[in-house]
Amino acid sequence: QKEVEQNSGPLSVPEGAIASLNCTYSDRGSQSFFWYRQYSGKSPELIMFIYSNGDKEDGRFTAQLNKASQYVSLLIRDSQPSDSATYLCAVVGGSNYKLTFGKGTLLTVNP
Amino acid sequence: GAGVSQSPSNKVTEKGKDVELRCDPISGHTALYWYRQSLGQGLEFLIYFQGNSAPDKSGLPSDRFSAERTGGSVSTLTIQRTQQEDSAVYLCASSLVLNYGYTFGSGTRLTVV
Repeated sequence: QKEVEQNSGPLSVPEGAIASLNCTYSDRGSQSFFWYRQYSGKSPELIMFIYSNGDKEDGRFTAQLNKASQYVSLLIRDSQPSDSATYLCAVVGGSNYKLTFGKGTLLTVNP
Repeated sequence: GAGVSQSPSNKVTEKGKDVELRCDPISGHTALYWYRQSLGQGLEFLIYFQGNSAPDKSGLPSDRFSAERTGGSVSTLTIQRTQQEDSAVYLCASSLVLNYGYTFGSGTRLTVV
């Protein structure tokens, strides 16, 4: 089982819709969870982090964490074409010193 | 500096040559990481430096790869006798507090021909 798993997509949504991106992880000792956005040809940039079960909102973005189910998600409300990118889920595992990344989900928002 | 700086941004080298990639982290960030991203692949951890502690080299794919960090700041990743499978984007990241995540540099795109 891979440490951090994401659906590779592509996920295609119309402009204005909610995009839902999902991630599961294998290490029950994981403590911190991150979402990075990576535009084509660019490096990843941090958009959200979450530590506690529940929801965390920042503008149009909501991160959701369920440690019992080892599941973290990212919701993007009112999706815009500029949100089209690959979204990487990352986890700090029990080793507590580095991030382990999923392979990312490609999101396309259609005008 | 204001961000993580990597150089060169692009490097084309002949198979068998050695290459050096440089990373200058955000000032004050004690942790420095190197990752590799191949086309269509995820981010592969290579090596981690934290302050004056011994680096974690567990992700280096072969003994052709080495890295050092001088004075707790600038880091150099060296690949000896490059192979075509080494072609990838090499990303450096730094952090002050891991729970706040990393900041990545813009990467070095290495092409071995």
